[in-house]
Amino acid sequence: RKEVEQDPGPFNVPEGATVAFNCTYSNSASQSFFWYRQDCRKEPKLLMSVYSSGNEDGRFTAQLNRASQYISLLIRDSKLSDSATYLCVVESGGSYIPTFGRGTSLIVHP
Amino acid sequence: SAVISQKPSRDICQRGTSLTIQCQVDSQVTMMFWYRQQPGQSLTLIATANQGSEATYESGFVIDKFPISRPNLTFSTLTVSNMSPEDSSIYLCSALGLAGNTDTQYFGPGTRLTVL
Repeated sequence: RKEVEQDPGPFNVPEGATVAFNCTYSNSASQSFFWYRQDCRKEPKLLMSVYSSGNEDGRFTAQLNRASQYISLLIRDSKLSDSATYLCVVESGGSYIPTFGRGTSLIVHP
Repeated sequence: SAVISQKPSRDICQRGTSLTIQCQVDSQVTMMFWYRQQPGQSLTLIATANQGSEATYESGFVIDKFPISRPNLTFSTLTVSNMSPEDSSIYLCSALGLAGNTDTQYFGPGTRLTVL
């Protein structure tokens, strides 16, 4: 089983839709979780950290489920500009060495 | 967030040659990393660049193929040695510990390498 798994998609949704991605991780000792966004031919950029209590930033909501070992990202009211690849990142044991998921591709169409 | 720059941004090289990629951060950072990202794939960690000592390589990557330097807290280089077409990829530098934020990684813009 891969350490961090994501459905590669693509998720093809109309503008205004709500879309959710999940990411599962195998190491139960994992401590830090993030969602990064990567646009085509660009470097990854931090979208948001994922806290145990969940966190929300505008249209984006991230949640952590330790019992089932997954994190989720919910995007409400999708915009065309949300089209990108969303990378799940997990850090374990205080090593600060992150493990990246393969990414989930989102395409928002008019 | 701090600015991370890489150069060259892209290069096309002949097999058997070597290319050195430079990564510069505009503030001191605790950790620097080198990643490779092949088309349609996620990021693969090559090594952690340690300041003043040998880099720590991940499984499948060796110093002879990917020598790394980190002479100070803001600069690192990655050399891709004796290149083959399989080395064609995007190479990304990243930094951890920017502006007191110890658990967030920031990435450079990447170096797009094509080996003929």
